[in-house]
Amino acid sequence: KAGVTQTPRYLIKTRGQQVTLSCSPISGHRSVSWYQQTPGQGLQFLFEYFSETQRNKGNFPGRFSGRQFSNSRSEMNVSTLELGDSALYLCASSLDSGYSEQFFGPGTRLTVL
Amino acid sequence: GDSVTQMEGPVTLSEEAFLTINCTYTATGYPSLFWYVQYPGEGLQLLLKATKADDKGSNKGFEATYRKETTSFHLEKGSVQVSDSAVYFCALKDSGSRLTFGEGTQLTVNP
Repeated sequence: KAGVTQTPRYLIKTRGQQVTLSCSPISGHRSVSWYQQTPGQGLQFLFEYFSETQRNKGNFPGRFSGRQFSNSRSEMNVSTLELGDSALYLCASSLDSGYSEQFFGPGTRLTVL
Repeated sequence: GDSVTQMEGPVTLSEEAFLTINCTYTATGYPSLFWYVQYPGEGLQLLLKATKADDKGSNKGFEATYRKETTSFHLEKGSVQVSDSAVYFCALKDSGSRLTFGEGTQLTVNP
C-alpha cells in the first residue's frame, strides 16, 4: 500500500506570494493533519481535516488555511508569505479522527526569500 | 495546555552503547504517548507507542514505559547501532488528533 505522498517536495517563493501544498493520504484513510517544522519552534500542529471538515486547528494566523476533498486528498494554502514561514510542512494521515496512529509523509520544504 | 519536554541534546554514543532519552509530559487527561524517529531528509516514522499507564511500547530493540506517577516516557535501547543515528521525538496525543511534540533529540552513533 502506498504511503502518504506530498507534492511538491521543495518550493521556493518570495515574500508576499501565496503557496499551495498538496497531500494524498494512504488509501482508505479519511483524516489528514498538517504540521509545521522549524528549527526554532519545532513541530507544531496546524490543522486536521476529516470528511472534508476542519476538525481541529492550531494556533496559526488566518493566512494558513486548508481544505479536504471528497477523495480525502488535502491541500494547505499560505497567503502573503513571510520569511518566518520557511519550514518543512508535514502531512499525516490516519484511518479516522482521534484514535488512530498517524502516518507521516516526507514533507514539503518551503523556502521564502 | 499539553506539553512534552525532552532531554537536551545532542547525544553522541559509540556503537553498542546503552541509550536513554528522557521524556516527561504535562497533560490534563489521559494521553497516548509516542516516540517518532526522523532520518535526514525524511518525514517522521512511528517508532513505538503506549496508550495507558504501565504499558510498554517496543520496536526494533527500543523500549519505553508509560509512567503516570512520574509523567514520563523515557526511550531506551540496550545496544545502539550506527543506523540508529537520527532525530527522536517524544509526543503525546489527547482525545483528538493533535500530536504535541517535544523538541527532538539528535542521536549520533559512531562506529
